[in-house]
Amino acid sequence: GNSVTQMEGPVTLSEEAFLTINCTYTATGYPSLFWYVQYPGEGLQLLLKATKADDKGSNKGFEATYRKETTSFHLEKGSVQVSDSAVYFCALIRAGGTSYGKLTFGQGTILTVHP
Amino acid sequence: GAGVSQSPSNKVTEKGKDVELRCDPISGHTALYWYRQRLGQGLEFLIYFQGNSAPDKSGLPSDRFSAERTGESVSTLTIQRTQQEDSAVYLCASSLVAADFSPLHFGNGTRLTVT
Repeated sequence: GNSVTQMEGPVTLSEEAFLTINCTYTATGYPSLFWYVQYPGEGLQLLLKATKADDKGSNKGFEATYRKETTSFHLEKGSVQVSDSAVYFCALIRAGGTSYGKLTFGQGTILTVHP
Repeated sequence: GAGVSQSPSNKVTEKGKDVELRCDPISGHTALYWYRQRLGQGLEFLIYFQGNSAPDKSGLPSDRFSAERTGESVSTLTIQRTQQEDSAVYLCASSLVAADFSPLHFGNGTRLTVT
């Protein structure tokens, strides 16, 4: 079946540091890949997505590239801010069929950024 | 406009009791999803509704779990004869349509504790 593995947290960084949160997946076919973020006190929200190999999703300075050869979708940001402190979830959805909304999530990575 | 609203935000119940969790999706969203997040784990798909089609119940963990949705409005997730392993955060999400390009909007969840 489908599965998503994220690097274990928590991750603690100083402001302006470089961020990488690793995500690898196992899936049949060609899934779409997502990063969701949950800020303190808020619901999960979509951060970025990529729907095919070599696509790069980007938003709010975050980027992730769909690497089929390594089955990875690592999240990166060049310079984090305190406001980026949140829980980050990698997720996938199997393409086609009736899979809509049936996301498979990783366990989440807590990021804390200090001033 | 308002986001996805869930109630109650917290629920403590005794083992063996029944509980009902409520989700108010974003107005106009035809698709609605329930997920469960156990402590330290990723989100687990439970059930999905799309318009008037038959719901996809493939993620429900046992016959103690059921959910209803009337049309494109409120949904209720019911857990009968609760067990301690049911303790989790139950998240509801809605999307405009059920499609890969239609992002999920999550509520803040209901934290269920079974004592």
